Amino acid sequence: GQQVMQIPQYQHVQEGEDFTTYCNSSTTLSNIQWYKQRPGGHPVFLIQLVKSGEVKKQKRLTFQFGEAKKNSSLHITATQTTDVGTYFCALNTDKLIFGTGTRLQVFP
Amino acid sequence: GAGVSQSPSNKVTEKGKDVELRCDPISGHTALYWYRQSLGQGLEFLIYFQGNSAPDKSGLPSDRFSAERTGGSVSTLTIQRTQQEDSAVYLCASSPGHAYNEQFFGPGTRLTVL
Repeated sequence: GQQVMQIPQYQHVQEGEDFTTYCNSSTTLSNIQWYKQRPGGHPVFLIQLVKSGEVKKQKRLTFQFGEAKKNSSLHITATQTTDVGTYFCALNTDKLIFGTGTRLQVFP
Repeated sequence: GAGVSQSPSNKVTEKGKDVELRCDPISGHTALYWYRQSLGQGLEFLIYFQGNSAPDKSGLPSDRFSAERTGGSVSTLTIQRTQQEDSAVYLCASSPGHAYNEQFFGPGTRLTVL
């Protein structure tokens, strides 16, 4: 079945620094979703990308879908302590196939 | 409005016992999903219900796991003869049911098998 790899596994940044997590697949993806899970919480939907080369922004968050639709990225500009959590990409094939997640820690 | 609810929030059981976990999806959502998240790990798909269609059980790890959805709403995940490796957070999610919809997750049930 399809698999989605995510890197890095962990990222520690100083508040104000930027952060990027990458999602990669060996096969073409029909779509990619991104979720955020706060420590002790449940995944919360952030966004969905469907089109090749698509770029979407939500305040300090920028989401990209690769031209070949085999990779995606989430970039956070000027991180804040509220950004702490694990960020998952997920392929939606009716059920969600989750990436391994990137745990972000932000030091004040 | 009300989100997805799950009960119990925590369950501690002894190895070999059966457990039932409950999920109440968002009203009107036709799709319901169960996932499992082990400590510090990603989310693993277990089972998916869509309307009156036969469920997709492809993620169930063994025949000790089963789930049903009554009346197209509430779902129960049953684990028989629990093992220590079943310890995890079991998350339920629902969606309006169309392709590419976001999924709304419940708070999860933390299962600990002693």
